Order: sequence, then structure tokens, then C-alpha cells
Amino acid sequence: NAGVTQTPKFQVLKTGQSMTLQCAQDMNHEYMSWYRQDPGMGLRLIHYSVGAGITDQGEVPNGYNVSRSTTEDFPLRLLSAAPSQTSVYFCASRTGTGKNNEQFFGPGTRLTVL
Amino acid sequence: DQQVKQNSPSLSVQEGRISILNCDYTNSMFDYFLWYKKYPAEGPTFLISISSIKDKNEDGRFTVFLNKSAKHLSLHIVPSQPGDSAVYFCAASALQGAQKLVFGQGTRLTINP
Repeated sequence: NAGVTQTPKFQVLKTGQSMTLQCAQDMNHEYMSWYRQDPGMGLRLIHYSVGAGITDQGEVPNGYNVSRSTTEDFPLRLLSAAPSQTSVYFCASRTGTGKNNEQFFGPGTRLTVL
Repeated sequence: DQQVKQNSPSLSVQEGRISILNCDYTNSMFDYFLWYKKYPAEGPTFLISISSIKDKNEDGRFTVFLNKSAKHLSLHIVPSQPGDSAVYFCAASALQGAQKLVFGQGTRLTINP
């Protein structure tokens, strides 16, 4: 199993540009999430999905869109990039069953918006 | 409003000694707590968790303690090893199995030989 994969690893955008961060998992997990990590702020939840076709907002959803057309993929779209979106983005997945919240994280995408 | 706080940005411990990482929370609805470990340029990896019905959970060298009345939890690593050098995040959720995890800011642990 590859686990959770994210592409690209690095990206530089200009203000106003749009792009999609890709996330895929091969563990047949129902739940998937997107987080951003900023210095001194830990990880903050952007959007999450509890299954194909179902998404919901997290703590910091503004400026981001998501969709979940398949169990495997959960892309994150930046509609019009802003410097405040410079961050490291992590995708995570977990099974819908089981007792705990153990989430499996991808390696991250480092995004810089100029 | 930071609901989960790790007030020590960094901690330095000698190899073989005990490392104690602390975490405080403000939301009394949190009932499940997790610790994640993160190396540079990698995603966080799950370390250990504890339910609010327990006050201690142990897994090898790692033990998590929960004090609900003080809204405080701690992670003990004994003995500390150089490979333990990483950033440690505390996280909490309001319902076991819920998707919304709230993370602390992280503590960078350095184990000195």
C-alpha cells in the first residue's frame, strides 16, 4: 500500500492564480480531511469528507473548495490564491469504523503564494 | 481561541532520561485525545491515544496521562532516544470517532546524546 499520497510536493503561485492539490489513498478509508500547518498554530482543519459525495467545512474553509467523487481521491482547490494561503497542506484519511481517531497523513504540499 | 494548547514550543532532554510533553485543553466536551509525532518534511504519524474514561494509557516507552479535572494531559517517553527527536502534536476530539480533530501548536523535542 502507498498509503496517502499528495501531489505536488512544492508549488509556487502568484496571487490570484488557481490550482488543485491532489490527494489519494489506497486503504479504502471512508474519511478524508485537509489540514494546513502554519508556524505556531499547529494543524487546522480546512474541509473533510465522511464518504464519496459528502463533504463539510472545517475550522478554516474560506478560499478553498473540495469534492469527493470517489473513495480514493479528495482534491483541494484554491480558487484565487492569496499570500495568506502560504502554508504546508496535509491530507489525511481514516477508516469509518474502529474505536479511535487515528488518521493517516500524507507527506504534505508546501505552497508559497507570492 | 486556542482550544488545545502546548505551551512549550521546545524541549531538550538528555538521551536515556524521561521526556515529558504537556498539553492543556479548554473544551470540556473533548473526550478523546491523541498524540502525533512529526519529522521534518513528513506528515504526522499517530503515536498514542487515550479516552476520557481512562487516566493512563501505555504503549512501550510511551505513556499518556489524562487529568480531566485539570483539563491537562501529558506524554511521557522513557527512556528517551535520539530517534525521538521530532515535533509532537497533541490533538483532541469531542466525540470518539468524530472527524474534527483540534490540534495544539506542537512541541519540538530534541534528544541530546
